[in-house]
Amino acid sequence: TQLLEQSPQFLSIQEGENLTVYCNSSSVFSSLQWYRQEPGEGPVLLVTVVTGGEVKKLKRLTFQFGDARKDSSLHITAAQTGDTGLYLCAGAHGSSNTGKLIFGQGTTLQVKP
Amino acid sequence: DTGVSQNPRHKITKRGQNVTFRCDPISEHNRLYWYRQTLGQGPEFLTYFQNEAQLEKSRLLSDRFSAERPKGSFSTLEIQRTEQGDSAMYLCASLAGGKSSYEQYFGPGTRLTVT
Repeated sequence: TQLLEQSPQFLSIQEGENLTVYCNSSSVFSSLQWYRQEPGEGPVLLVTVVTGGEVKKLKRLTFQFGDARKDSSLHITAAQTGDTGLYLCAGAHGSSNTGKLIFGQGTTLQVKP
Repeated sequence: DTGVSQNPRHKITKRGQNVTFRCDPISEHNRLYWYRQTLGQGPEFLTYFQNEAQLEKSRLLSDRFSAERPKGSFSTLEIQRTEQGDSAMYLCASLAGGKSSYEQYFGPGTRLTVT
């Protein structure tokens, strides 16, 4: 069974602080997506990383895919209250080509003013 | 709005009743996925379609669950004889397929509560 372990599961910080969320697996993924989800809504795609070692930036968010394509991280600089939400990483397994995603359990981020 | 839509957004039903959910994917996307998400967890894969063909079903999908995509456009997910353990958010996602076949776009979900 493929598993994606996210850490931490819960994070509460003050506005302006930096944070990093980690997503780790023993399996290799052909791609990895990061989503943000608000209560009662579906996940919203933030980024897709495909190449080992790839780094993508989305304003204050920096995403990195590990060299071996088994892990990823999300770094937020100068967090804002609007960043509050559930952050999910999800990997697509390369060999099956079904596109189905394996999700981590999520990191709940609370940014306090 | 050209995103993925799901109906209804919320459904409350009594144990033993049947329920049906609908998903309308992004129009040019040929792959459609169903996931289930319980509180405090990430979504779990249930099944997926390529056009009208259902190509994979998870072991989570018991015999009480059935999904269809008759014309390769919208999809329905039916749960028969609902149980309290079926209470969850049911999410639908679509994917374009082809070279950029990584990015799934999710609908807002249907929250099912079985009493």
